[in-house]
Amino acid sequence: NAGVTQTPKFQVLKTGQSMTLQCAQDMNHNSMYWYRQDPGMGLRLIYYSASEGTTDKGEVPNGYNVSRLNKREFSLRLESAAPSQTSVYFCASRKDPTLNEQYFGPGTRLTVT
Amino acid sequence: GQSLEQPSEVTAVEGAIVQINCTYQTSGFYGLSWYQQHDGGAPTFLSYNALDGLEETGRFSSFLSRSDSYGYLLLQELQMKDSASYFCAAPYKAGTALIFGKGTTLSVSS
Repeated sequence: NAGVTQTPKFQVLKTGQSMTLQCAQDMNHNSMYWYRQDPGMGLRLIYYSASEGTTDKGEVPNGYNVSRLNKREFSLRLESAAPSQTSVYFCASRKDPTLNEQYFGPGTRLTVT
Repeated sequence: GQSLEQPSEVTAVEGAIVQINCTYQTSGFYGLSWYQQHDGGAPTFLSYNALDGLEETGRFSSFLSRSDSYGYLLLQELQMKDSASYFCAAPYKAGTALIFGKGTTLSVSS
């Protein structure tokens, strides 16, 4: 099993450009999550999908949209990138709410200039 | 709102014991988790406490007191490889997602 995979690993965007971060898991997990991590701020929840077909806002959803494409894939879209969105983005998944172990992908390092 | 507070930095020497505290304010309570993250890497799960008391997993233990809204991670027989950031986490709005504290950076020296 590859676990949770994310593409791309690195990305540089100009202000105003759009892009989609891809995430896939092969563990048959029901729930998937997007976080951003900035120095000194810990991991902040952007959006999550409790199950296929549902998505919900997290702590910092502004400027982002998500799509739960199927049970395996959960994408994060930046419609008009801003320098404040420079961050490391982590995708995670979990089998069900009674199990507290979330599995994280390796992250996407995004720079917006 | 919801929040988890933990110290930003802790230092210790090899072989020592260190305790990382976490106080939380959440709507309802559904357990406290701990994650480890090495520099540049992905966070990995360490432990989970649903009920009061101590959970032990090898050199690492985690404690929870729901009446005090407080938990801690105890690391024993510290090794250089334990140098990392440690995060406490709790469910977001009683749902399936986790929110995290800002993390505690542990530096272990020889």
